[in-house]
Amino acid sequence: ETGVTQSPTHLIKTRGQQVTLRCSSQSGHNTVSWYQQALGQGPQFIFQYYREEENGRGNFPPRFSGLQFPNYSSELNVNALELDDSALYLCASSPPGQDYEQYFGPGTRLTVT
Amino acid sequence: GNSVTQMEGPVTLSEEAFLTINCTYTATGYPSLFWYVQYPGEGLQLLLKATKADDKGSNKGFEATYRKETTSFHLEKGSVQVSDSAVYFCALKAGGTSYGKLTFGQGTILTVHP
Repeated sequence: ETGVTQSPTHLIKTRGQQVTLRCSSQSGHNTVSWYQQALGQGPQFIFQYYREEENGRGNFPPRFSGLQFPNYSSELNVNALELDDSALYLCASSPPGQDYEQYFGPGTRLTVT
Repeated sequence: GNSVTQMEGPVTLSEEAFLTINCTYTATGYPSLFWYVQYPGEGLQLLLKATKADDKGSNKGFEATYRKETTSFHLEKGSVQVSDSAVYFCALKAGGTSYGKLTFGQGTILTVHP
């Protein structure tokens, strides 16, 4: 059984640019959540996608947006990058009816210079 | 709002020592509580969970009991191993929410020496 995968592993962008991060959910899972983990901190919830729609959002500005595809994979897009966006971005998938049980991918390390 | 507070770290122990990592929470309703572990270079792994008061979650020798009266969910292990060295996160999902937002503590770094 393949777990949650994310790409790319590392990414370096310049302030003001846009970035897209990708996540493939674990087989059989239909819900995807995204988190931002700053260095030395716990993950912060960005949003969750279910049935290709956002069904919950944390305290992040609209320049953080996402998509979920029919195969349940997902993208996180961040526009107008700021230095404070430098972090590890984690994707987690959940089985049907158990969105509290989240299985995390290894993350994408984004550095904004 | 909802929040999780973990004991300040890092924690350094010798192999076979007893481990306690404290976790307290603030939440509306009746949250579900979790411990996640993050090994170097890897994503978070669910270690154990408890969904109602007085439940005890356990896995791989770790255990934690959901104490509603003290709003706590302390992680314990009777005899740690070098392979337990990792970062441990306490988390909650608030009761009554329609989506699975997890609120995490700041994490506790555990280092176990041979």
